[in-house]
Amino acid sequence: QKEVEQNSGPLSVPEGAIASLNCTYSDRVSQSFFWYRQYSGKSPELIMSIYSNGDKEDGRFTAQLNKASQYVSLLIRDSQPSDSATYLCAVSFTDKLIFGTGTRLQVFP
Amino acid sequence: GAVVSQHPSRVICKSGTSVKIECRSLDFQATTMFWYRQFPKKSLMLMATSNEGSKATYEQGVEKDKFLINHASLTLSTLTVTSAHPEDSSFYICSASPTGGGANVLTFGAGSRLTVL
Repeated sequence: QKEVEQNSGPLSVPEGAIASLNCTYSDRVSQSFFWYRQYSGKSPELIMSIYSNGDKEDGRFTAQLNKASQYVSLLIRDSQPSDSATYLCAVSFTDKLIFGTGTRLQVFP
Repeated sequence: GAVVSQHPSRVICKSGTSVKIECRSLDFQATTMFWYRQFPKKSLMLMATSNEGSKATYEQGVEKDKFLINHASLTLSTLTVTSAHPEDSSFYICSASPTGGGANVLTFGAGSRLTVL
């Protein structure tokens, strides 16, 4: 069974700090990786996608992928209270998207 | 941008009744749509892949006779929870991507919260 693992948290960081979210996956064949943000009671919204090894930056967000280690991470710089949400790592397996358990992030003022 | 509409957003029903949830792609055609289920403070669990014009593909452990999926057109997929029980209470979310787009361009509906009394 394909698995995507995340630390459930909560991860608490002060405003302005860097939040680091991690994810591991079980299938070496996976080629596409995504980070979604989900607020309570809402559906997920896509933050970043990454397909090749290395870093990808978009504003305050940086996704990092290491396929050899089957590891993907998300860094949020200058964290804001509005970033407080659950962050879901998702990995595509033959065109199906499988989600990790999610990490709850709390940014306190 | 691509929009997926899901209806109803909230539904309350009595135990033993059936509930239908609709998922529509408003501005694109979707050969494939996906149905997820999410329990409180848990992740999204893929229930099934809905295929236009053919039978849905269900994930392991999902009862196909209880969760009926119909994908009769390129813009509409429906999920019917039959003989609902309180343990079926959950947040159901559909997603779709334009035909040929794959997971890379997936758009999610707003979700449907089902409460079974």
